Amino acid sequence: EVQLVESGGGLVQPGGSLRLSCAASGFMFSSHWMSWVRQAPGKGLEWVASIKQDGSEKYYVDSVKGRFTISRDNARDSLYLQMNSLRAEDTAVYYCARVFFYGDSISNWNYDLWGRGTLVTVSS
Amino acid sequence: DIQMTQSPSSLSASVGDRVTITCRASQSISTYLNWYQQKPGKVPKLLIYGASSLQSGVPSRFSGSGSGTDFTLTITSLQPEDFATYYCQQTYSVPLTFGGGTKVEIK
Repeated sequence: EVQLVESGGGLVQPGGSLRLSCAASGFMFSSHWMSWVRQAPGKGLEWVASIKQDGSEKYYVDSVKGRFTISRDNARDSLYLQMNSLRAEDTAVYYCARVFFYGDSISNWNYDLWGRGTLVTVSS
Repeated sequence: DIQMTQSPSSLSASVGDRVTITCRASQSISTYLNWYQQKPGKVPKLLIYGASSLQSGVPSRFSGSGSGTDFTLTITSLQPEDFATYYCQQTYSVPLTFGGGTKVEIK
């Protein structure tokens, strides 16, 4: 079955760290850009970070730069998000999402597969 | 950063109604625009990509149009299962951004 399964969420104090994982199955993980997208309780979707197939390119939203690190292990079909110096405003469900390119342009893509998400709560 | 503004933020409609949701980009994004549907407690689902292409398996009552800065998502005959929140997303440039969402509720 083609799926993404996140894990690693939980309750953490402000300033703490957490590492999220996303296990991919049923498709060639190493062929896809991957992203993390989050959703604060009752709020909209926010892109967090993306990583190229071989890990050579990484992009982040400004609010997490210097605190979060996206990485991947293609041998394990896994995506990660190391989150340090966590803040209350990082509280959200974190989704792992697969990038699908539908055209020749670097901008012709969408998120065609999402995991169910893992909840991160930052609170004292 | 490209800002994506959706309107309305919410709407009430009846089964069978025609519903139109708009999404405006703060600068031109060509047709690098996707639409997603999210039901309460569920994962977002891709509906439309490239502004107007229907994702496989999505009912034909959903359609998208637009280019440049102005885009629309239309549901021609609203069904009970369409009550959800809809998000647009630009993939033109980083940081990737979503619209704030449009919640479609039952009248």
